[in-house]
Amino acid sequence: DVKVTQSSRYLVKRTGEKVFLECVQDMDHENMFWYRQDPGLGLRLIYFSYDVKMKEKGDIPEGYSVSREKKERFSLILESASTNQTSMYLCASISGGRANEKLFFGSGTQLSVL
Amino acid sequence: DAKTTQPPSMDCAEGRAANLPCNHSTISGNEYVYWYRQIHSQGPQYIIHGLKNNETNEMASLIITEDRKSSTLILPHATLRDTAVYYCIVRVDQGGKLIFGQGTELSVKP
Repeated sequence: DVKVTQSSRYLVKRTGEKVFLECVQDMDHENMFWYRQDPGLGLRLIYFSYDVKMKEKGDIPEGYSVSREKKERFSLILESASTNQTSMYLCASISGGRANEKLFFGSGTQLSVL
Repeated sequence: DAKTTQPPSMDCAEGRAANLPCNHSTISGNEYVYWYRQIHSQGPQYIIHGLKNNETNEMASLIITEDRKSSTLILPHATLRDTAVYYCIVRVDQGGKLIFGQGTELSVKP
């Protein structure tokens, strides 16, 4: 089975810190995604990438950036963390191209910004 | 983008079939219907997907109406471990981008 691994299950950071959330997938997938999930708001797409060094904004990119230097790794960066970025962050990947392929998710990182 | 509508919550008795409905009246001809579930504090887990025909796997069955405007996910013998939020999603593009709605919170009770 495909494995999508997020580097941390829980993180606590302070306001203003630079935060890196790492995601690695082991199935040579082209497409990778970062979502955040908040109670009552569901899953919202932050950024996605269809290839190395490519990135596209999702629905809520403000306050975030991403990096994809290698195919298997997609990093989410909070340049200056704020309390409203306290959330569950979910990484996902899919092999691109066909309409009927599955999206695989990591276990999530619960980030608390104090 | 095609949107989906699901009831916010449902209950089901353990051992009985759970039938979770989804409306996707604006679905286009080449869009697949996907179902995922999310157990508390975990990442969403793929369950099943389909285009036109009914589908079955080891986890569930998916029934899609002939006009494709709605579908039903069936868990044939629900267990307590099936308690989760179930998302019905229409695949937006070839790249895999999915738009999640609010889902249905299924509670399986003893």
